Amino acid sequence: GAVVSQHPSWVICKSGTSVKIECRSLDFQATTMFWYRQFPKQSLMLMATSNEGSKATYEQGVEKDKFLINHASLTLSTLTVTSAHPEDSSFYICSTNTGSIETQYFGPGTRLLVL
Amino acid sequence: QKEVEQNSGPLSVPEGAIASLNCTYSDRVSQSFFWYRQYSGKSPELIMSIYSNGDKEDGRFTAQLNKASQYVSLLIRDSQPSDSATYLCAVKTSYDKVIFGPGTSLSVIP
Repeated sequence: GAVVSQHPSWVICKSGTSVKIECRSLDFQATTMFWYRQFPKQSLMLMATSNEGSKATYEQGVEKDKFLINHASLTLSTLTVTSAHPEDSSFYICSTNTGSIETQYFGPGTRLLVL
Repeated sequence: QKEVEQNSGPLSVPEGAIASLNCTYSDRVSQSFFWYRQYSGKSPELIMSIYSNGDKEDGRFTAQLNKASQYVSLLIRDSQPSDSATYLCAVKTSYDKVIFGPGTSLSVIP
């Protein structure tokens, strides 16, 4: 399967600061990456679909100005949580699929804690 | 109606028994179905994918799909304590998104 990395794995920040999370595909070129958020004891909720070289597609209810997504290369997508608040504390996970294969491969996730 | 539904559990089975996990979905046109396992604090890992009606076996795991009933299940034979995790059912919908169910927590008792 595909190898996907995320950085950082953990981040603690103060309320009002911005946090950038990187998602990298290590062994293939990913034209599409997906960003999910998972609150404790809940399932994964798709936030947005990141497309290389174009604007991301956000799910209903997700603020595009708060969760900035950049997919400038075929191996890197970034999610920036701007002006983070405690309610943004969550587990953020990126994933991708290897082109025609529909299976999604997940990164290890980034746990964000906003104080 | 939620798009993908699962019993939240927890489901407890003794070691060596068969664990049966169920999932229903609402988009009748869905064609691709997945089971993921997620350990606490970790990201999901793919167990199986299934696309056609019937059974698909991989080692101790068997996925079953019934599109007419909009139902997909996962059987785990000879359950081991290491199988204790949350199992997520995922469905690729007709609008090309993968939607996850809420997950079923499985506990295998030694």
